[in-house]
Amino acid sequence: EDKVVQSPLSLVVHEGDTVTLNCSYEVTNFRSLLWYKQEKKAPTFLFMLTSSGIEKKSGRLSSILDKKELFSILNITATQTGDSAVYLCAVDSGTASKLTFGTGTRLQVTL
Amino acid sequence: DAGITQSPRHKVTETGTPVTLRCHQTENHRYMYWYRQDPGHGLRLIHYSYGVKDTDKGEVSDGYSVSRSKTEDFLLTLESATSSQTSVYFCATRDPANYGYTFGSGTRLTVV
Repeated sequence: EDKVVQSPLSLVVHEGDTVTLNCSYEVTNFRSLLWYKQEKKAPTFLFMLTSSGIEKKSGRLSSILDKKELFSILNITATQTGDSAVYLCAVDSGTASKLTFGTGTRLQVTL
Repeated sequence: DAGITQSPRHKVTETGTPVTLRCHQTENHRYMYWYRQDPGHGLRLIHYSYGVKDTDKGEVSDGYSVSRSKTEDFLLTLESATSSQTSVYFCATRDPANYGYTFGSGTRLTVV
Protein backbone atom coordinates (compact mmCIF):
# COMPACT_ATOMS: atom_id res chain seq x y z
CA GLU A 1 0.00 0.00 0.00
CA ASP A 2 1.32 3.42 -0.98
CA LYS A 3 2.14 5.67 1.95
CA VAL A 4 2.96 9.37 2.34
CA VAL A 5 3.98 10.82 5.70
CA GLN A 6 4.28 14.51 6.43
CA SER A 7 5.93 16.21 9.36
CA PRO A 8 5.42 18.14 11.46
CA LEU A 9 1.65 17.85 11.74
CA SER A 10 1.39 21.48 12.74
CA LEU A 11 3.68 24.43 13.16
CA VAL A 12 3.34 27.95 14.55
CA VAL A 13 5.95 30.52 13.53
CA HIS A 14 6.40 34.26 13.63
CA GLU A 15 6.21 36.37 10.53
CA GLY A 16 9.62 36.52 8.90
CA ASP A 17 10.73 33.06 10.02
CA THR A 18 11.85 30.35 7.61
CA VAL A 19 10.10 27.00 7.76
CA THR A 20 10.84 23.57 6.34
CA LEU A 21 8.08 21.04 5.79
CA ASN A 22 8.89 17.38 5.26
CA CYS A 23 7.34 14.64 3.18
CA SER A 24 8.50 11.04 2.99
CA TYR A 25 6.94 8.36 0.83
CA GLU A 26 6.79 4.67 0.04
CA VAL A 27 5.11 3.90 -3.28
CA THR A 28 5.30 1.06 -5.73
CA ASN A 29 5.60 3.05 -8.94
CA PHE A 30 6.75 6.62 -8.40
CA ARG A 31 5.99 9.12 -11.14
CA SER A 32 6.05 12.48 -9.40
CA LEU A 33 5.61 14.25 -6.08
CA LEU A 34 3.32 17.24 -5.77
CA TRP A 35 2.89 19.97 -3.19
CA TYR A 36 -0.41 21.76 -2.64
CA LYS A 37 -1.53 24.64 -0.44
CA GLN A 38 -4.99 24.43 1.05
CA GLU A 39 -6.64 27.36 2.72
CA LYS A 40 -10.38 27.22 3.18
CA LYS A 41 -11.34 25.49 -0.03
CA ALA A 42 -9.72 23.35 -2.69
CA PRO A 43 -6.02 22.52 -2.70
CA THR A 44 -4.06 24.75 -5.05
CA PHE A 45 -1.02 23.50 -6.89
CA LEU A 46 2.45 24.63 -5.82
CA PHE A 47 5.06 22.31 -7.31
CA MET A 48 5.51 19.05 -9.15
CA LEU A 49 8.84 17.26 -8.73
CA THR A 50 10.03 14.37 -10.81
CA SER A 51 13.82 14.47 -10.65
CA SER A 52 16.15 14.28 -7.69
CA GLY A 53 18.21 17.26 -6.69
CA ILE A 54 16.58 19.85 -8.91
CA GLU A 55 15.11 22.67 -6.87
CA LYS A 56 11.81 24.15 -7.93
CA LYS A 57 11.32 27.74 -6.84
CA SER A 58 8.44 30.17 -6.83
CA GLY A 59 8.99 33.40 -4.97
CA ARG A 60 9.64 32.61 -1.32
CA LEU A 61 8.72 28.94 -1.76
CA SER A 62 11.07 26.24 -2.94
CA SER A 63 11.07 22.47 -2.97
CA ILE A 64 13.44 19.65 -3.71
CA LEU A 65 13.13 15.89 -4.11
CA ASP A 66 15.46 13.09 -3.05
CA LYS A 67 14.43 9.90 -4.86
CA LYS A 68 17.14 7.84 -3.24
CA GLU A 69 16.04 8.66 0.31
CA LEU A 70 12.36 8.95 -0.72
CA PHE A 71 11.57 12.37 0.65
CA SER A 72 10.91 15.94 -0.30
CA ILE A 73 11.07 19.24 1.55
CA LEU A 74 9.13 22.44 1.06
CA ASN A 75 10.85 25.60 2.26
CA ILE A 76 9.15 28.92 2.88
CA THR A 77 11.40 31.88 3.62
CA ALA A 78 10.37 35.20 5.16
CA THR A 79 6.96 33.81 6.07
CA GLN A 80 3.89 36.04 5.95
CA THR A 81 0.47 35.65 7.56
CA GLY A 82 -0.88 34.80 4.11
CA ASP A 83 1.21 31.65 4.17
CA SER A 84 -1.01 30.25 6.92
CA ALA A 85 -2.60 27.13 5.44
CA VAL A 86 -2.43 23.37 5.32
CA TYR A 87 0.35 22.15 3.05
CA LEU A 88 -0.31 18.83 1.38
CA CYS A 89 2.18 16.46 -0.17
CA ALA A 90 1.00 13.87 -2.67
CA VAL A 91 2.64 11.19 -4.75
CA ASP A 92 1.50 10.22 -8.23
CA SER A 93 2.00 6.52 -8.79
CA GLY A 94 0.66 3.53 -10.61
CA THR A 95 -2.12 3.16 -13.08
CA ALA A 96 -4.23 6.21 -13.91
CA SER A 97 -1.89 8.47 -11.94
CA LYS A 98 -3.80 8.25 -8.72
CA LEU A 99 -2.59 10.63 -6.03
CA THR A 100 -1.81 9.39 -2.54
CA PHE A 101 -1.84 12.25 -0.04
CA GLY A 102 -0.20 12.79 3.29
CA THR A 103 -2.31 14.15 6.12
CA GLY A 104 -0.82 17.61 5.69
CA THR A 105 1.11 20.12 7.77
CA ARG A 106 -0.92 22.95 9.26
CA LEU A 107 1.17 26.13 9.27
CA GLN A 108 0.15 29.16 11.25
CA VAL A 109 2.12 32.36 10.84
CA THR A 110 1.60 34.92 13.61
CA LEU A 111 2.48 38.60 13.76
CA ASP B 1 -7.72 26.12 -14.51
CA ALA B 2 -9.59 23.03 -15.62
CA GLY B 3 -13.01 24.59 -15.11
CA ILE B 4 -14.32 22.12 -12.55
CA THR B 5 -17.72 22.68 -11.02
CA GLN B 6 -19.05 20.61 -8.15
CA SER B 7 -22.68 20.53 -7.12
CA PRO B 8 -24.18 20.92 -4.66
CA ARG B 9 -21.75 22.96 -2.57
CA HIS B 10 -23.42 21.95 0.67
CA LYS B 11 -25.91 19.21 1.49
CA VAL B 12 -27.51 17.84 4.62
CA THR B 13 -29.18 14.47 4.26
CA GLU B 14 -30.65 11.80 6.47
CA THR B 15 -29.13 8.43 7.22
CA GLY B 16 -30.25 5.79 4.73
CA THR B 17 -31.06 8.10 1.86
CA PRO B 18 -29.24 7.99 -1.49
CA VAL B 19 -27.19 11.04 -2.42
CA THR B 20 -25.55 11.98 -5.72
CA LEU B 21 -22.77 14.51 -6.06
CA ARG B 22 -21.89 15.92 -9.44
CA CYS B 23 -18.58 16.97 -10.94
CA HIS B 24 -18.55 18.80 -14.25
CA GLN B 25 -15.43 19.78 -16.20
CA THR B 26 -15.05 21.84 -19.33
CA GLU B 27 -11.50 20.90 -20.37
CA ASN B 28 -12.11 17.48 -21.90
CA HIS B 29 -9.67 15.81 -19.51
CA ARG B 30 -9.70 12.06 -19.62
CA TYR B 31 -8.92 11.35 -15.96
CA MET B 32 -11.28 12.33 -13.16
CA TYR B 33 -11.15 11.50 -9.47
CA TRP B 34 -13.31 11.67 -6.35
CA TYR B 35 -11.60 12.23 -3.00
CA ARG B 36 -12.94 12.71 0.51
CA GLN B 37 -11.18 14.81 3.11
CA ASP B 38 -11.49 14.16 6.82
CA PRO B 39 -9.50 15.48 9.79
CA GLY B 40 -6.51 13.29 10.52
CA HIS B 41 -6.80 11.41 7.23
CA GLY B 42 -6.02 13.95 4.58
CA LEU B 43 -7.45 13.34 1.14
CA ARG B 44 -8.38 9.76 0.30
CA LEU B 45 -9.31 8.42 -3.11
CA ILE B 46 -12.82 7.02 -3.44
CA HIS B 47 -13.14 6.23 -7.14
CA TYR B 48 -11.54 7.38 -10.34
CA SER B 49 -12.25 7.30 -14.05
CA TYR B 50 -9.91 7.00 -17.00
CA GLY B 51 -12.56 7.52 -19.67
CA VAL B 52 -16.24 7.32 -20.47
CA LYS B 53 -17.69 4.25 -18.75
CA ASP B 54 -14.20 3.34 -17.44
CA THR B 55 -14.03 3.59 -13.67
CA ASP B 56 -12.19 1.88 -10.85
CA LYS B 57 -12.12 1.80 -7.08
CA GLY B 58 -9.85 3.77 -4.81
CA GLU B 59 -8.85 3.04 -1.24
CA VAL B 60 -12.17 3.98 0.41
CA SER B 61 -14.79 2.89 -2.13
CA ASP B 62 -17.17 0.93 0.13
CA GLY B 63 -20.64 2.49 0.13
CA TYR B 64 -19.95 4.58 -2.97
CA SER B 65 -20.55 4.12 -6.67
CA VAL B 66 -19.68 6.29 -9.65
CA SER B 67 -20.74 6.78 -13.20
CA ARG B 68 -19.23 8.54 -16.19
CA SER B 69 -21.54 8.59 -19.19
CA LYS B 70 -19.95 11.69 -20.70
CA THR B 71 -16.38 12.97 -20.63
CA GLU B 72 -17.40 16.11 -18.79
CA ASP B 73 -19.47 14.58 -15.98
CA PHE B 74 -18.43 12.30 -13.15
CA LEU B 75 -21.11 11.41 -10.61
CA LEU B 76 -20.54 10.04 -7.12
CA THR B 77 -23.46 8.25 -5.46
CA LEU B 78 -23.78 7.30 -1.83
CA GLU B 79 -26.18 4.41 -2.11
CA SER B 80 -27.45 4.63 1.48
CA ALA B 81 -25.82 7.49 3.36
CA THR B 82 -24.30 6.85 6.78
CA SER B 83 -22.94 9.27 9.37
CA SER B 84 -19.41 8.04 8.60
CA GLN B 85 -19.79 9.54 5.14
CA THR B 86 -20.06 13.03 6.56
CA SER B 87 -17.10 14.66 4.90
CA VAL B 88 -15.89 17.17 2.35
CA TYR B 89 -15.79 15.66 -1.13
CA PHE B 90 -13.44 16.93 -3.81
CA CYS B 91 -13.44 16.16 -7.48
CA ALA B 92 -10.23 16.48 -9.47
CA THR B 93 -9.12 16.16 -13.06
CA ARG B 94 -5.72 15.57 -14.56
CA ASP B 95 -4.29 17.30 -17.60
CA PRO B 96 -2.23 14.61 -19.38
CA ALA B 97 -0.15 17.24 -21.14
CA ASN B 98 1.57 18.36 -17.96
CA TYR B 99 0.38 15.93 -15.27
CA GLY B 100 -1.23 18.83 -13.45
CA TYR B 101 -4.15 18.06 -11.21
CA THR B 102 -6.89 20.58 -10.53
CA PHE B 103 -9.47 20.33 -7.80
CA GLY B 104 -13.05 21.52 -7.63
CA SER B 105 -14.24 23.68 -4.75
CA GLY B 106 -15.63 20.76 -2.82
CA THR B 107 -19.00 19.58 -1.53
CA ARG B 108 -19.59 19.58 2.21
CA LEU B 109 -21.92 16.68 2.99
CA THR B 110 -23.48 16.16 6.40
CA VAL B 111 -25.39 12.95 7.13
CA VAL B 112 -27.67 13.23 10.17
